[in-house]
Amino acid sequence: DAGVTQSPTHLIKTRGQHVTLRCSPISGHKSVSWYQQVLGQGPQFIFQYYEKEERGRGNFPDRFSARQFPNYSSELNVNALLLGDSALYLCASRGQVVDYGYTFGSGTRLTVV
Amino acid sequence: SQQGEEDPQALSIQEGENATMNCSYKTSINNLQWYRQNSGRGLVHLILIRSNEREKHSGRLRVTLDTSKKSSSLLITASRAADTASYFCATVREKAAGNKLTFGGGTRVLVKP
Repeated sequence: DAGVTQSPTHLIKTRGQHVTLRCSPISGHKSVSWYQQVLGQGPQFIFQYYEKEERGRGNFPDRFSARQFPNYSSELNVNALLLGDSALYLCASRGQVVDYGYTFGSGTRLTVV
Repeated sequence: SQQGEEDPQALSIQEGENATMNCSYKTSINNLQWYRQNSGRGLVHLILIRSNEREKHSGRLRVTLDTSKKSSSLLITASRAADTASYFCATVREKAAGNKLTFGGGTRVLVKP
């Protein structure tokens, strides 16, 4: 059974550009969350989606947006990239059993130059 | 912003020794989870402890939770070189919408062979 898959694995963008990151959750998982992890720090919550509806939003500017599709996959979009957006972007999915915690993908390493 | 702090920030031990790390948090929680991260990639869920539990075991892992002190500890017994990683605690707040994780800054553990 495939885990959480994210694409691309690495990405280099120029300031001002737009980026789309993609995530496929574990089959059967309806909840998808996005986190940003700056080097040397813990992950910070960006968005959570459940059954295609936004269930939570972290303290990020409106340049960040996301959506979840009918097959429960998700996209994270970031507009007008800044140097400070350089980070590892992690996607996580969760099933109905809370005790199993979240399953994270390997992340997308975004570098803004 | 981070929910809490982890202590120590870094830990270096010999193979076979025990590793203990602590996590403090600020708000009332529903549960607290520990995750491991190797080389800045995806996080792996280790264990979840609910707010009404005081201690939990999983293999070589032992987690304690003291809600009166808003703190938790993770003990890894008989450490192995493969335990070298960063360890993060993450909380799910009580009565919060969704189940977003709020992470600490992490403890970097080096197990020397």
